[in-house]
Amino acid sequence: AQSVSQHNHHVILSEAASLELGCNYSYGGTVNLFWYVQYPGQHLQLLLKYFSGDPLVKGIKGFEAEFIKSKFSFNLRKPSVQWSDTAEYFCAAIKLSFGAGTTVTVRA
Amino acid sequence: DVKVTQSSRYLVKRTGEKVFLECVQDMDHENMFWYRQDPGLGLRLIYFSYDVKMKEKGDIPEGYSVSREKKERFSLILESASTNQTSMYLCASSFRSGQSYEQYFGPGTRLTVT
Repeated sequence: AQSVSQHNHHVILSEAASLELGCNYSYGGTVNLFWYVQYPGQHLQLLLKYFSGDPLVKGIKGFEAEFIKSKFSFNLRKPSVQWSDTAEYFCAAIKLSFGAGTTVTVRA
Repeated sequence: DVKVTQSSRYLVKRTGEKVFLECVQDMDHENMFWYRQDPGLGLRLIYFSYDVKMKEKGDIPEGYSVSREKKERFSLILESASTNQTSMYLCASSFRSGQSYEQYFGPGTRLTVT
């Protein structure tokens, strides 16, 4: 069975700090990978996705993620966070497995 | 813009009641999903449907059933609500074919069972 694990439960950063959220999946076949974000009081929305091709994927709001097949990882990064990035972030893989989520709090 | 709507944002029900949660999407998506979201557990798939009248169990189907009589509508049913079903319920939809399994989510229904 496929599963997705996120390394961090809660991350607290200062504005302008860099962010990296870990995501590992266990699935032997072709993977479609996603990062979703849920801002307080809002719907889940897609940040970025990977299906094939360039393993470095750029998404909205300055986020990017790198697919490393050998490590079964799809880590999310942002070089400089803003207070408005405070949200919950979910990694997901095809066949609809979601990680447990990482809450990011950015302090002004 | 894809729109996924859910019938209620907040719902309070008593133990033993039958509960219906409705979800409607307007993008002609084949796939529809029901998740529950709980702190520390992320999203867990309850059921999904890939076509009208078709359904498959997700990771935690116990205590739930679903109905998909029309392509745009997917209902989640709690036959006899229990307190451990207090949660946020999220509906989502997506296309089935091709590379795009990107899901579009509704606003969620926060269900409290007392």
